[in-house]
Amino acid sequence: DAKTTQPPSMDCAEGRAANLPCNHSTISGNEYVYWYRQIHSQGPQYIIHGLKNNETNEMASLIITEDRKSSTLILPHATLRDTAVYYCIVRVAGGYNFNKFYFGSGTKLNVKP
Amino acid sequence: GAVVSQHPSRVICKSGTSVKIECRSLDFQATTMFWYRQFPKQSLMLMATSNEGSKATYEQGVEKDKFLINHASLTLSTLTVTSAHPEDSSFYICSAAKTGRRNTIYFGEGSWLTVV
Repeated sequence: DAKTTQPPSMDCAEGRAANLPCNHSTISGNEYVYWYRQIHSQGPQYIIHGLKNNETNEMASLIITEDRKSSTLILPHATLRDTAVYYCIVRVAGGYNFNKFYFGSGTKLNVKP
Repeated sequence: GAVVSQHPSRVICKSGTSVKIECRSLDFQATTMFWYRQFPKQSLMLMATSNEGSKATYEQGVEKDKFLINHASLTLSTLTVTSAHPEDSSFYICSAAKTGRRNTIYFGEGSWLTVV
């Protein structure tokens, strides 16, 4: 079952930063936070992941709170092509269920001109 | 980068027939792949884990005789929807893990199944 809570939708102006929150208050110490996005009628696309440190790559930044109970995905300069459903997923660190992803409802990000 | 490919991307079949969807890891080997189903305006639902060389394991509530999974090689898993009905119409997506430092899960492009 999904262990994350996200707002159902958010709006963002083109060119501005999009900050997408995720609550994962029951996360365990060995569980990672992953972010994927799904553009309409396509498979999910990997964005970023982290354990406890903040992470940045060419697509986004991930800020994880010190208690790890929540995180924020930041798209620094949103474009219209970033309109998608964004999923925050908690992933166990190993074992049989390591590669299983249980998706929550996600956040529909609407980037507007 | 790593790519997971699905075929066909769209398929229409008649009620009562069976349809097969393929999932291939194009540039890496995957001992485990996963199948998801997604209805319109809903999230992805994990159906089953496809294990190379052994039986698939199914999530609770998913009929294993209805959704046959075969993982005959390290780069190919197939999902066969047997005796399809209109309620099986959905978007089916597979995923596979490329091992390594990032150990990222890659998803296929998805396959739209319409049962008429």
